[in-house]
Amino acid sequence: ETGVTQSPTHLIKTRGQQVTLRCSSQSGHNTVSWYQQALGQGPQFIFQYYREEENGRGNFPPRFSGLQFPNYSSELNVNALELDDSALYLCASSLGGLFSGNTIYFGEGSWLTVV
Amino acid sequence: KNQVEQSPQSLIILEGKNCTLQCNYTVSPFSNLRWYKQDTGRGPVSLTIMTFSENTKSNGRYTATLDADTKQSSLHITASQLSDSASYICVVSGSNDYKLSFGAGTTVTVRA
Repeated sequence: ETGVTQSPTHLIKTRGQQVTLRCSSQSGHNTVSWYQQALGQGPQFIFQYYREEENGRGNFPPRFSGLQFPNYSSELNVNALELDDSALYLCASSLGGLFSGNTIYFGEGSWLTVV
Repeated sequence: KNQVEQSPQSLIILEGKNCTLQCNYTVSPFSNLRWYKQDTGRGPVSLTIMTFSENTKSNGRYTATLDADTKQSSLHITASQLSDSASYICVVSGSNDYKLSFGAGTTVTVRA
């Protein structure tokens, strides 16, 4: 158990819809990052939040957005869903930025299927 | 082009045997390199973390090595067990970057 919990675990959405995925970080961790992992591929960095501010973003369009709350939990929102958005979405928490040597703990992910 | 390349893409080994996975990266300047184990459909679990000053790091039967000069790392699995069947992912962080660069992973299958 990593102490990082994600919800929902599985969901199916229709193309064009919007989805919100949630993540509770490990206690005391102030940094949350989100990743998209397509089947058979490594995770791709979406963005990172540090103390409620987005401070890093990968090559994802603006329809991917997020929030981090005062308790450091986080949401990933995806608007105008496309079929290619079907993937495992991983949340990870850590103390300090991703470039630090601290362990990064991943949740079990949310499987999103867009039909 | 991916900044982290892993090889082989997949391998099959017999229970009890050893194997070595490779990771080459181009991320610069370099901060740290991590190896993760990911079971199918699950989140990745951390195995090792190494900074540029560390050459080797062990976690039970897993031993990672790092050569920051050649930008290469390896993960050695000793006396493999059926539970070692998983994808092993190499993850590199730059020292002036905010993101992680992931390899595509090596899928290891251990057979009895």
